[in-house]
Amino acid sequence: GAVVSQHPSRVICKSGTSVKIECRSLDFQATTMFWYRQFPKKSLMLMATSNEGSKATYEQGVEKDKFLINHASLTLSTLTVTSAHPEDSSFYICSGVGKYNEQFFGPGTRLTVL
Amino acid sequence: AQSVTQLDSQVPVFEEAPVELRCNYSSSVSVYLFWYVQYPNQGLQLLLKYLSGSTLVKGINGFEAEFNKSQTSFHLRKPSVHISDTAEYFCAVRTGSSNTGKLIFGQGTTLQVKP
Repeated sequence: GAVVSQHPSRVICKSGTSVKIECRSLDFQATTMFWYRQFPKKSLMLMATSNEGSKATYEQGVEKDKFLINHASLTLSTLTVTSAHPEDSSFYICSGVGKYNEQFFGPGTRLTVL
Repeated sequence: AQSVTQLDSQVPVFEEAPVELRCNYSSSVSVYLFWYVQYPNQGLQLLLKYLSGSTLVKGINGFEAEFNKSQTSFHLRKPSVHISDTAEYFCAVRTGSSNTGKLIFGQGTTLQVKP
């Protein structure tokens, strides 16, 4: 199957700082990428849909000014958590949509805000 | 609105025993159904999917699932589990009318395989 990478895999930051997470489709072009958030022992919650060259579509309740998404190319989408706080600590997972509408998931990024 | 319910949060089972992980969905339109597996601190890996055709779907690692439209279910089964099957399993639905690939996930079921 197609490969999606995320960087970094783990990040620890201080409260009030911003953190950028990269999501790359390594062997396919993804016009659409999704960003999910997963709490411990919980399901994945879709945060936003990222389309190459256009603004992201955010799910209800997700602050677009706090979670900035940029999909600048067909192989790269970034999620920036601005002014992070401890409650933003979570496991963030991205997925890229392949040619046949199948989603390929990245390995996830564990964010810890102190 | 679509939703997915996984009826068991945890399923303990002994090695080489059969297992069934239950999933029910609700949707007013046709759906595509998926099962994913997540190992600790990793992303999701597709086990199998139902798009159309035969209601019995076979996936990787010996898993299979049966789509039952009348019962709105898509239960996952394996006749004999291994220790390495210990993981979190997620059922997901995507509406058939959408090409965006947006998935709605269930709450997850932790499969614990004991020796």
